[in-house]
Amino acid sequence: AQTVTQSQPEMSVQEAETVTLSCTYDTSESNYYLFWYKQPPSRQMILVIRQEAYKQQNATENRFSVNFQKAAKSFSLKISDSQLGDTAMYFCALHSTEGSGDKLTFGTGTRLAVRP
Amino acid sequence: NAGVMQNPRHLVRRRGQEARLRCSPMKGHSHVYWYRQLPEEGLKFMVYLQKENIIDESGMPKERFSAEFPKEGPSILRIQQVVRGDSAAYFCASSRGTGGHQPQHFGDGTRLSIL
Repeated sequence: AQTVTQSQPEMSVQEAETVTLSCTYDTSESNYYLFWYKQPPSRQMILVIRQEAYKQQNATENRFSVNFQKAAKSFSLKISDSQLGDTAMYFCALHSTEGSGDKLTFGTGTRLAVRP
Repeated sequence: NAGVMQNPRHLVRRRGQEARLRCSPMKGHSHVYWYRQLPEEGLKFMVYLQKENIIDESGMPKERFSAEFPKEGPSILRIQQVVRGDSAAYFCASSRGTGGHQPQHFGDGTRLSIL
């Protein structure tokens, strides 16, 4: 079974500062994908960034980057130059093709507040 | 709008009624997924469908819930005889194919409230 753990229910950061959100996971698969999704107050689910487990290089998307530590099964999200629009719930997700499946397993989320 | 379309955005039902949630995938996507989000929780997988086939329904409650993705038209998540515990946000996602290299794109969700 796949599990995803986000141990920080809430985080706060000053505008323009940097913040890191933590995520750990467990899977028996050798190749898999990890994602960060953002859910703003409008409650849409927006894909922020994706990491392929067999790639050692950490993914980056503009102000968003990840620190992927495969041996430690850790996948943290770093947001640089935080903006007010970054205020949202952030969910870490693990993609699994276990069995006949093709699904995402989500963590419980981290609520990020960006202070002006 | 070429994104995943879900309707209605909000649905209110009384206990015992039926709820039907619709999802039209992105153009070119033939894989549909339904997730449920209870208040203050993450999304939980319910079911994965391709056209006319249910591939994985391991997350679906055994009773009252069903899903379909017909050859023509949107995917439907159907909840019969709704109860208060069914109140949640239901998200649909679609992808072009299987595997994490084909990311799932989400709709805006349907908020189901049971009176």
